[in-house]
This record gives sequence, C-alpha cells and structure tokens, in this order.
Amino acid sequence: NAGVTQTPKFQVLKTGQSMTLQCAQDMNHEYMSWYRQDPGMGLRLIHYSVGAGITDQGEVPNGYNVSRSTTEDFPLRLLSAAPSQTSVYFCASSSGQGYNEKLFFGSGTQLSVL
Amino acid sequence: AQSVAQPEDQVNVAEGNPLTVKCTYSVSGNPYLFWYVQYPNRGLQFLLKYITGDNLVKGSYGFEAEFNKSQTSFHLKKPSALVSDSALYFCAVRLSGGSYIPTFGRGTSLIVHP
Repeated sequence: NAGVTQTPKFQVLKTGQSMTLQCAQDMNHEYMSWYRQDPGMGLRLIHYSVGAGITDQGEVPNGYNVSRSTTEDFPLRLLSAAPSQTSVYFCASSSGQGYNEKLFFGSGTQLSVL
Repeated sequence: AQSVAQPEDQVNVAEGNPLTVKCTYSVSGNPYLFWYVQYPNRGLQFLLKYITGDNLVKGSYGFEAEFNKSQTSFHLKKPSALVSDSALYFCAVRLSGGSYIPTFGRGTSLIVHP
C-alpha cells in the first residue's frame, strides 16, 4: 500500500536553481494537489488537478509549474528557486467521491533555498 | 469563495481533561468539513469529516466534531485528552458541488500536559 509517494524528502537549492518535486499515487485518484506549509500560515494550495491533462492554479501559484500527463503522477516544478520558496511541500490525492472523500497526503518534502 | 478560521494558535490541556479545538468556516453554500492531524515530523492524516446528516461526527482516535450551521462552526472535541494527542490540527472546508480541493485553516497546536 504505497499511497502517495513524494520525492525527495529533503532538498537544498541555491537561488536561481530549478528542480522538480515528484509525486505519485497508486490509488487511481482523479484529484491531486500541491500544498506548502509555512509556520503560522497553515497549508496553502499551490496548484491542483482534477484529472489527467487538467490543472489549475491555487492560492500561491507564482514561481511554480505543474503538469498532469498521467493519472498517477503530478510533479511540481520550481522554475527559478527563491528564498521565499523555503517551505515544506505536501502532495495530496483524493477520489473526491462524497462519503469516501478524504485527502491522502505524501510524507512531505522539506526544501531550503539559500 | 471558501475559507476557514482557527482562532487559536495553541491549545493547552491537561491529560484526562476534555479538549476542544475551534474552527469556523465561510462558504457560499453547503459545506463539506474536515479535520486532519499532523503528528511531529510526520505527514497529515485524516481524522473525520462532515458531509451531511447527523451534526455530531465521530472519527479516529476517539475524536468527534459538531457541525453547527447557525454558528458556521465545526469544533473538534475529545472527552479525555491523551499526551499522545499532542499534534498540529487542521480544519478544512470545501463547497458542496464545487471543486474537490479543500481550503485549510492555519492550524492549531494542541499540547496535552501529563
């Protein structure tokens, strides 16, 4: 039962570098999302997807890019890392089906941008 | 638009005492409401949800929450706190019939003292 798998768990970047945070789920969920967690700010939605080929912006999308070529994978790309992107990132998936609805979260990626 | 307020950054309670973690919400219609918990250095886990029906919802680890439509609240409760309940608790809301992506509150740190 892998659930939602996020890699890497830790990453240190220099300002201006780019990288991709990987997220994969094996539950055939339609809905996937990326959140960032900052102290005192809770979980803020970056981007989300309601199915393969469909993505949309959340509350804090600037500096991030996503794509959803398959149901299983939803990578998050940092185009040019900035210190303000230092955060803990969580990927989540959901079947979005009423009484069974709940988010399944990955274990998180702790990102530091120097 | 949908939003959640968790008015307390931190709640302190003695072991064995009842606990309440507060949450109020705002949506332009019927809400789906959720509680998630994040134990130290771990990912987020689903606790319970309100979709429809009985206003008192029971969830994992002995937690329950009461939906109050007139007060737009969904407070999390437990009759007798355990030290192991110490964690960060997040309330979330989404609009019934809307996107399956919820909006989260800022989180409340629950500290249970022995």
